[in-house]
Amino acid sequence: EAGVAQSPRYKIIEKRQSVAFWCNPISGHATLYWYQQILGQGPKLLIQFQNNGVVDDSQLPKDRFSAERLKGVDSTLKIQPAKLEDSAVYLCASSLGTGLGEQYFGPGTRLTVT
Amino acid sequence: QKEVEQDPGPLSVPEGAIVSLNCTYSNSAFQYFMWYRQYSRKGPELLMYTYSSGNKEDGRFTAQVDKSSKYISLFIRDSQPSDSATYLCAMSAWQAGTALIFGKGTTLSVSS
Repeated sequence: EAGVAQSPRYKIIEKRQSVAFWCNPISGHATLYWYQQILGQGPKLLIQFQNNGVVDDSQLPKDRFSAERLKGVDSTLKIQPAKLEDSAVYLCASSLGTGLGEQYFGPGTRLTVT
Repeated sequence: QKEVEQDPGPLSVPEGAIVSLNCTYSNSAFQYFMWYRQYSRKGPELLMYTYSSGNKEDGRFTAQVDKSSKYISLFIRDSQPSDSATYLCAMSAWQAGTALIFGKGTTLSVSS
Protein backbone atom coordinates (compact mmCIF):
# COMPACT_ATOMS: atom_id res chain seq x y z
CA GLU A 1 0.00 0.00 0.00
CA ALA A 2 1.48 3.33 -1.06
CA GLY A 3 1.78 5.92 1.68
CA VAL A 4 0.82 9.57 1.77
CA ALA A 5 2.75 11.48 -0.89
CA GLN A 6 3.74 15.12 -0.56
CA SER A 7 5.60 17.55 -2.78
CA PRO A 8 7.81 19.40 -2.84
CA ARG A 9 9.93 18.05 0.03
CA TYR A 10 11.74 21.33 0.53
CA LYS A 11 10.96 24.92 -0.40
CA ILE A 12 12.76 28.18 0.26
CA ILE A 13 10.99 31.44 -0.46
CA GLU A 14 11.26 35.07 0.52
CA LYS A 15 8.70 36.71 2.77
CA ARG A 16 5.65 38.06 0.97
CA GLN A 17 5.99 35.42 -1.77
CA SER A 18 3.39 32.72 -2.27
CA VAL A 19 3.85 28.95 -2.07
CA ALA A 20 1.74 25.85 -2.59
CA PHE A 21 2.06 22.32 -1.25
CA TRP A 22 0.48 19.22 -2.68
CA CYS A 23 -0.72 16.06 -0.95
CA ASN A 24 -1.95 12.74 -2.31
CA PRO A 25 -3.50 10.64 0.48
CA ILE A 26 -3.66 6.88 0.73
CA SER A 27 -6.16 5.52 -1.77
CA GLY A 28 -9.64 5.22 -0.26
CA HIS A 29 -8.95 7.40 2.76
CA ALA A 30 -11.88 9.76 3.27
CA THR A 31 -10.27 12.11 5.77
CA LEU A 32 -7.31 14.35 5.01
CA TYR A 33 -5.43 16.61 7.44
CA TRP A 34 -2.89 19.38 7.08
CA TYR A 35 -0.62 20.03 10.06
CA GLN A 36 2.01 22.65 10.73
CA GLN A 37 5.03 21.52 12.75
CA ILE A 38 7.33 24.29 13.87
CA LEU A 39 10.83 23.20 14.93
CA GLY A 40 10.75 21.79 18.46
CA GLN A 41 6.94 21.61 18.56
CA GLY A 42 4.34 18.96 17.97
CA PRO A 43 2.14 19.08 14.88
CA LYS A 44 -0.73 21.56 15.01
CA LEU A 45 -3.84 20.90 12.93
CA LEU A 46 -4.51 23.54 10.30
CA ILE A 47 -7.43 22.00 8.44
CA GLN A 48 -9.32 18.71 8.23
CA PHE A 49 -11.31 17.53 5.21
CA GLN A 50 -13.94 14.82 5.12
CA ASN A 51 -14.05 13.81 1.46
CA ASN A 52 -14.06 17.28 -0.14
CA GLY A 53 -15.82 19.12 2.69
CA VAL A 54 -14.10 21.03 5.51
CA VAL A 55 -14.63 19.56 8.99
CA ASP A 56 -12.34 21.83 11.01
CA ASP A 57 -10.37 24.88 9.92
CA SER A 58 -10.50 26.76 13.20
CA GLN A 59 -6.69 27.10 13.42
CA LEU A 60 -6.09 28.01 9.79
CA PRO A 61 -4.93 31.65 9.40
CA LYS A 62 -7.47 32.38 6.72
CA ASP A 63 -6.06 35.77 5.82
CA ARG A 64 -3.04 34.07 4.25
CA PHE A 65 -3.63 30.31 4.17
CA SER A 66 -6.05 28.47 1.94
CA ALA A 67 -6.62 24.81 1.21
CA GLU A 68 -8.77 22.77 -1.10
CA ARG A 69 -9.44 19.13 -1.74
CA LEU A 70 -10.83 18.63 -5.19
CA LYS A 71 -12.89 15.51 -5.91
CA GLY A 72 -12.17 14.28 -2.40
CA VAL A 73 -8.70 13.01 -3.24
CA ASP A 74 -5.65 15.26 -3.67
CA SER A 75 -5.26 18.43 -1.70
CA THR A 76 -3.29 21.65 -1.97
CA LEU A 77 -2.34 24.07 0.80
CA LYS A 78 -1.38 27.60 -0.20
CA ILE A 79 0.24 30.44 1.69
CA GLN A 80 -0.02 33.95 0.27
CA PRO A 81 1.80 36.08 1.32
CA ALA A 82 4.28 34.13 3.43
CA LYS A 83 5.72 35.46 6.68
CA LEU A 84 8.93 34.52 8.47
CA GLU A 85 6.92 32.71 11.17
CA ASP A 86 5.48 30.35 8.54
CA SER A 87 8.83 28.53 8.42
CA ALA A 88 7.89 25.00 9.45
CA VAL A 89 7.27 21.48 8.20
CA TYR A 90 3.84 21.08 6.67
CA LEU A 91 2.56 17.56 7.19
CA CYS A 92 -0.31 15.93 5.37
CA ALA A 93 -2.06 12.94 6.94
CA SER A 94 -5.00 10.77 5.97
CA SER A 95 -7.26 8.31 7.71
CA LEU A 96 -9.74 5.74 6.49
CA GLY A 97 -12.95 6.82 8.16
CA THR A 98 -14.67 9.68 9.82
CA GLY A 99 -13.82 8.69 13.36
CA LEU A 100 -10.63 8.84 15.38
CA GLY A 101 -8.89 6.26 13.29
CA GLU A 102 -5.17 5.96 12.77
CA GLN A 103 -3.74 8.88 10.88
CA TYR A 104 -1.01 8.09 8.38
CA PHE A 105 1.44 10.91 7.85
CA GLY A 106 3.40 11.88 4.78
CA PRO A 107 7.07 12.92 4.95
CA GLY A 108 6.20 16.62 5.03
CA THR A 109 7.30 19.71 3.16
CA ARG A 110 9.98 21.75 4.90
CA LEU A 111 9.35 25.45 4.22
CA THR A 112 11.94 28.12 4.92
CA VAL A 113 10.85 31.74 4.61
CA THR A 114 13.75 34.23 4.43
CA GLN B 1 -1.30 26.24 30.89
CA LYS B 2 -0.93 24.30 27.67
CA GLU B 3 -3.41 21.50 27.08
CA VAL B 4 -0.63 18.94 26.72
CA GLU B 5 2.78 19.17 28.37
CA GLN B 6 5.72 17.00 27.40
CA ASP B 7 9.36 17.35 28.45
CA PRO B 8 11.36 17.79 25.22
CA GLY B 9 14.50 16.20 26.66
CA PRO B 10 16.84 15.24 25.12
CA LEU B 11 16.97 11.87 26.82
CA SER B 12 20.08 9.73 26.34
CA VAL B 13 20.23 6.11 27.49
CA PRO B 14 22.48 3.09 26.84
CA GLU B 15 21.24 0.17 24.78
CA GLY B 16 19.11 -2.21 26.82
CA ALA B 17 17.84 0.44 29.25
CA ILE B 18 14.20 0.90 30.16
CA VAL B 19 12.91 4.24 28.93
CA SER B 20 10.02 6.16 30.45
CA LEU B 21 8.35 8.95 28.48
CA ASN B 22 5.55 11.03 29.96
CA CYS B 23 2.91 13.63 29.21
CA THR B 24 0.49 15.54 31.38
CA TYR B 25 -2.70 17.18 30.20
CA SER B 26 -5.31 19.56 31.50
CA ASN B 27 -8.46 18.74 29.51
CA SER B 28 -10.46 16.13 31.39
CA ALA B 29 -12.52 15.47 28.25
CA PHE B 30 -9.60 13.68 26.57
CA GLN B 31 -10.40 9.99 26.19
CA TYR B 32 -8.13 8.80 23.39
CA PHE B 33 -4.39 8.74 23.94
CA MET B 34 -1.72 7.98 21.40
CA TRP B 35 2.02 7.79 21.07
CA TYR B 36 3.68 8.61 17.77
CA ARG B 37 7.32 8.07 16.82
CA GLN B 38 8.99 10.51 14.47
CA TYR B 39 12.37 9.87 12.90
CA SER B 40 14.39 12.82 11.65
CA ARG B 41 12.92 14.32 8.46
CA LYS B 42 10.03 11.85 8.45
CA GLY B 43 6.36 12.11 9.33
CA PRO B 44 5.07 10.72 12.64
CA GLU B 45 3.99 7.07 12.78
CA LEU B 46 1.52 5.65 15.29
CA LEU B 47 3.04 3.40 17.96
CA MET B 48 0.30 2.92 20.54
CA TYR B 49 -3.37 3.83 20.87
CA THR B 50 -5.21 3.66 24.21
CA TYR B 51 -8.77 4.43 25.12
CA SER B 52 -9.55 5.79 28.61
CA SER B 53 -7.48 4.52 31.54
CA GLY B 54 -5.33 1.43 31.90
CA ASN B 55 -2.35 -0.26 30.32
CA LYS B 56 -1.67 -1.57 26.85
CA GLU B 57 1.32 -3.63 25.85
CA ASP B 58 2.76 -4.26 22.39
CA GLY B 59 6.09 -6.04 22.28
CA ARG B 60 8.70 -3.87 23.99
CA PHE B 61 6.27 -0.96 24.34
CA THR B 62 3.78 -0.35 27.16
CA ALA B 63 1.39 2.60 27.30
CA GLN B 64 -0.23 3.66 30.56
CA VAL B 65 -3.03 6.14 31.11
CA ASP B 66 -3.99 7.54 34.51
CA LYS B 67 -6.98 9.79 33.91
CA SER B 68 -7.34 10.65 37.59
CA SER B 69 -3.87 12.25 37.49
CA LYS B 70 -4.15 13.40 33.86
CA TYR B 71 -0.88 11.62 33.15
CA ILE B 72 0.17 9.22 30.41
CA SER B 73 3.36 7.23 29.97
CA LEU B 74 5.15 5.18 27.37
CA PHE B 75 7.69 2.60 28.52
CA ILE B 76 10.24 1.07 26.18
CA ARG B 77 11.94 -2.09 27.40
CA ASP B 78 15.32 -3.30 26.14
CA SER B 79 15.83 -0.09 24.20
CA GLN B 80 17.68 -0.31 20.88
CA PRO B 81 19.63 2.26 18.85
CA SER B 82 16.80 2.03 16.29
CA ASP B 83 14.48 3.49 18.96
CA SER B 84 16.36 6.79 18.69
CA ALA B 85 13.69 9.24 17.54
CA THR B 86 11.29 11.88 18.81
CA TYR B 87 8.26 10.51 20.66
CA LEU B 88 5.09 12.56 20.51
CA CYS B 89 2.08 12.05 22.73
CA ALA B 90 -1.28 12.99 21.25
CA MET B 91 -4.79 12.97 22.64
CA SER B 92 -8.36 13.78 21.77
CA ALA B 93 -11.82 14.13 23.23
CA TRP B 94 -14.02 11.82 21.19
CA GLN B 95 -16.38 13.59 18.88
CA ALA B 96 -16.58 13.08 15.16
CA GLY B 97 -13.88 15.15 13.58
CA THR B 98 -12.22 16.12 16.85
CA ALA B 99 -8.61 17.12 16.34
CA LEU B 100 -5.60 15.45 17.89
CA ILE B 101 -3.64 17.66 20.28
CA PHE B 102 0.07 16.84 20.25
CA GLY B 103 2.75 17.36 22.85
CA LYS B 104 6.06 18.94 21.85
CA GLY B 105 7.78 15.57 21.66
CA THR B 106 10.68 14.03 23.60
CA THR B 107 13.90 13.35 21.72
CA LEU B 108 15.41 9.98 22.67
CA SER B 109 18.91 8.79 21.86
CA VAL B 110 19.90 5.18 22.54
CA SER B 111 23.62 4.51 22.34
CA SER B 112 25.12 1.12 21.52
